[in-house]
Amino acid sequence: ETGVTQSPTHLIKTRGQQVTLRCSSQSGHNTVSWYQQALGQGPQFIFQYYREEENGRGNFPPRFSGLQFPNYSSELNVNALELDDSALYLCASSRDGSATGELFFGEGSRLTVL
Amino acid sequence: ILNVEQSPQSLHVQEGDSTNFTCSFPSSNFYALHWYRWETAKSPEALFVMTLNGDEKKKGRISATLNTKEGYSYLYIKGSQPEDSATYLCALRDSSYKLIFGSGTRLLVRP
Repeated sequence: ETGVTQSPTHLIKTRGQQVTLRCSSQSGHNTVSWYQQALGQGPQFIFQYYREEENGRGNFPPRFSGLQFPNYSSELNVNALELDDSALYLCASSRDGSATGELFFGEGSRLTVL
Repeated sequence: ILNVEQSPQSLHVQEGDSTNFTCSFPSSNFYALHWYRWETAKSPEALFVMTLNGDEKKKGRISATLNTKEGYSYLYIKGSQPEDSATYLCALRDSSYKLIFGSGTRLLVRP
């Protein structure tokens, strides 16, 4: 059973650019969620996808968007990057997105915006 | 806005010491309480998922309790070892199924 993998692991962008982060969910998992972890804070929920549909969103602007593909892998897209978008972005998959289902996290993609 | 508080923010203990930390959350809108262990340069790893008031769970030297009426959970580590050094995150699962994380407790166990 392969775990959650994310790419790239690190990247540097400049303000105004766009970025796409990718996540392969664990085998057998149909739910993926994305979190942003800024320095000194806990992870903040961005959104969740269940069977290719967004079914929950946190307090992030529309320039944060996502996709889930038929194989349940996922992308996080951020447009018009701002300095405050610099953070670690974590992807997590779960078997069914239920309240009691534990999440399986990737190691994250660290984004630096200059 | 639901808020999850963890204390202390960081903790240094000696190998062999037992320790505990706290997670506080609003008792309304509760679905489940998750604990994760996050070692540096690795991915967060689930320790426990707890749902029932009075729940107690144990995994090796680590255990957790849950009080949903007063809105807190304790995580205990018995006989801390250097490999227990990590950030311990708790997270509340609310009715919308998103996880609301605390800022974590950073534990350093000195040999």
